[in-house]
Parts: sequence; C-alpha cells; structure tokens
Amino acid sequence: NAGVTQTPKFQVLKTGQSMTLQCAQDMNHNSMYWYRQDPGMGLRLIYYSASEGTTDKGEVPNGYNVSRLNKREFSLRLESAAPSQTSVYFCASVGQQETQYFGPGTRLLVL
Amino acid sequence: AQSVTQLDSQVPVFEEAPVELRCNYSSSVSVYLFWYVQYPNQGLQLLLKYLSGSTLVKGINGFEAEFNKSQTSFHLRKPSVHISDTAEYFCAVSVAGGYNKLIFGAGTRLAVHP
Repeated sequence: NAGVTQTPKFQVLKTGQSMTLQCAQDMNHNSMYWYRQDPGMGLRLIYYSASEGTTDKGEVPNGYNVSRLNKREFSLRLESAAPSQTSVYFCASVGQQETQYFGPGTRLLVL
Repeated sequence: AQSVTQLDSQVPVFEEAPVELRCNYSSSVSVYLFWYVQYPNQGLQLLLKYLSGSTLVKGINGFEAEFNKSQTSFHLRKPSVHISDTAEYFCAVSVAGGYNKLIFGAGTRLAVHP
C-alpha cells in the first residue's frame, strides 16, 4: 500500500516547454486534488476531481490542465511553462472523515 | 468564502517548553478544521481535525487543538516540545459537507532549539 505517489520528484524546464506531473493513489479514493506550494502562501488548490470523469478548477488554474485518467490516476499538465510556475506541486486524495492524504511532492524549476 | 489566518509565521521555542500555534478562520457556514504538519522535503501529514462533537481534539505526537466557535479560532498546542517537532504547521478549513476543498493558512514554522 504505497498511498499517494508522484512522479517526477524533481524537474527543470525552460520557459515554453511542456510537461505532465503524474499522481496515483491506491486507496480507492474518489476525490483527488492538485496543489501548489509557494513560500509564505501555504498551499493553493489548482484543480480537483470529485470523482472519476469529473474535474473542476480551484483557486489558481491558469496555465494548467488536468486529466482524471481513471479512479487511481490524476495528472497535471503544463502546456507552456512559465517562471511563475516554479513551485512545489502536491497531489492529494481524500479518504474517510475528510482526511486528505498527500504525496511527497514534485519540485519544479522553470528557467 | 472561507479564509484562514495563521498569526505567526515563525515560532522559536526551547526543547521541553510548551508551545501554541495560533489559527483563526473566517466563514459564514459550518466548517471542518484541520492541522497538518510538513517535515523538511516531505508532503503534508494530518495532525488532527475537528469535524463535530467535542471541541478539544487530540492528535498525533502529543498535539491537541481547541475549536472556539465564538472566537473563530483553532489553536494548536503541545505541553512539551521535542527537537523532532521542528517543522512547518498548516491550519486548514473546509466547508462542512462540501467537496472537501481545503483552504490553507500560510503556515507557521516551528523551530525547536536545544
């Protein structure tokens, strides 16, 4: 039981490049989330998926797209990376009693 | 809309001393409240949560928090901290019965000194 896994752990991109951050959970949870963490700002919600086949925008969706591939997997795509997207990205899934389980994060640097 | 304010960005404390990390929230509807901890270079881990019932909530690692509806606060306390408690702590709120969307505070960095 690995919980929530994220790949890659680290990534360096040049401005304008694209990439997909992968997230998977093996806890059979319905809801999954993508956050970004920036110093002094806590975590901010980018997109979420309340169930397989549905996705909705969060607080800071601009510049991102998501795909809920199946119940296990929820990917985040940057189509044209910008330096403002330099951040640490966390995926989470929601279990019983509202508890969110977080992955280890992906550290992204956009030059 | 909901919001969360963590009143201290950094809290230095000596080992074995008590500590309180302050959190205030704003909401016009009923909420759930959470404290998460983040150790260096790791994801977030749930410390404790208030969903309903007793306003004093006990969590892991000896932490506890008290929900105060009249003061819209959910302060985190520990009577005696250890070096290993050094981490960043996040208070979060979600709408009761909603889609579990968490609104996080900016975080409080707890630094425990020997």
